[in-house]
Amino acid sequence: EIVLTQSPGTLSLSPGERATLSCRASQSVSSSYLAWYQQKPGQAPRLLIYGASSRATGIPDRFSGSGSGTDFTLTISRLEPEDFAVYYCQQYGSSPEWTFGQGTKVEIK
Amino acid sequence: QVQLVQSGAEVKKPGASVKVSCKASGYTFTSYGISWVRQAPGQGLEWMGWISAYNGNTNYAQKLQGRVTMTTDTSTSTAYMELRSLRSDDTAVYYCAREFIAVAGGVYYYYMDVWGKGTTVTVSS
Repeated sequence: EIVLTQSPGTLSLSPGERATLSCRASQSVSSSYLAWYQQKPGQAPRLLIYGASSRATGIPDRFSGSGSGTDFTLTISRLEPEDFAVYYCQQYGSSPEWTFGQGTKVEIK
Repeated sequence: QVQLVQSGAEVKKPGASVKVSCKASGYTFTSYGISWVRQAPGQGLEWMGWISAYNGNTNYAQKLQGRVTMTTDTSTSTAYMELRSLRSDDTAVYYCAREFIAVAGGVYYYYMDVWGKGTTVTVSS
């Protein structure tokens, strides 16, 4: 079973700053199977990035994803007030089965 | 528009069962799989299992094997998740999500593109 480890657990930043979130897999993951989600309190997760680097429909271009193999990154170029939330990476495995990272909370500094 | 509408909140006693529904609309139900994901209070997302709406094939998370059953009713485009022998640590928000598979340049992409709003299940004596 592949384990996804996200870091840091909490990121304290100010609006306008750049956020860099990491997702590390315990073994190599196909980039096309790696996605990122945003979740705000009381809401369902929302798809941000799929295929490690492709933005989902309607997602602003300040969100970008990169990486391959075991190391993946979600970058928010300039934080807007609505971006403060929890972010999860996710990978798809055959069977099928899915694994989530434990999440990174981006909070206002 | 594509949406998944889930049933309402439930309160159950330990040892009981709960069945949560997820009604799909705006797309061809049998063309996609549905995953169930739960989130305990203040915790992260936990994948519970998957069902193919096409043929009813399932795959469950190992820790829930024997306690969870996922089914679909294609006549009403509804997916169901039943969890038995409830314990206090089953208290969570339960989400259904559509599994989307895209193909581009021979590469398959997998992700969950549409989510229900969640159903709160509280297990308490």
